[in-house]
Amino acid sequence: DQQVKQNSPSLSVQEGRISILNCDYTNSMFDYFLWYKKYPAEGPTFLISISSIKDKNEDGRFTVFLNKSAKHLSLHIVPSQPGDSAVYFCAARQNDKIIFGKGTRLHILP
Amino acid sequence: DSGVTQTPKHLITATGQRVTLRCSPRSGDLSVYWYQQSLDQGLQFLIQYYNGEERAKGNILERFSAQQFPDLHSELNLSSLELGDSALYFCASSPRHSNTEAFFGQGTRLTVV
Repeated sequence: DQQVKQNSPSLSVQEGRISILNCDYTNSMFDYFLWYKKYPAEGPTFLISISSIKDKNEDGRFTVFLNKSAKHLSLHIVPSQPGDSAVYFCAARQNDKIIFGKGTRLHILP
Repeated sequence: DSGVTQTPKHLITATGQRVTLRCSPRSGDLSVYWYQQSLDQGLQFLIQYYNGEERAKGNILERFSAQQFPDLHSELNLSSLELGDSALYFCASSPRHSNTEAFFGQGTRLTVV
């Protein structure tokens, strides 16, 4: 039973445009949501997080939106840059467990 | 460089064997997490240790075990290995047992043949 779902395995976006990565979850007890970025042959690196009591958190080009009623969060990257090409993992925390989705591979096209 | 060190980087072994994966957390971090990433799978949470004590358990098989030592490094032991155990195994550390963020090592790629 996957508690954190990223239904799009891959996404291609033109350089300079907005990238929107989506994530759905089933467990209403999650209290923090996180996004990680992963390049090949490297471990995931933390990108941005949001508390379950907020609906938006912004950090530079990255904004995460949380819709608790829909159990949905999204990561917006504006403008998209070539270096953003990577696999993005959505994660959710309950107590001391951090549960990850399967990831979405983002391709930024020139 | 996240500051989390995992050894070895690659490991090839036969079915039925036993291996030990090692993780050195960032200096000062008390929590260590272990994750498994199989082909086309996300990061599956295995187990978490905090300051030497088991803190949380995920989808860890009975053939797998872990421990965290007094110097805070951790080892993940995988025994009676099966072909399906081939995966990337990541270790992550965080400074508090309930921190929102964890720092990942580069992973150990285990291939069971």
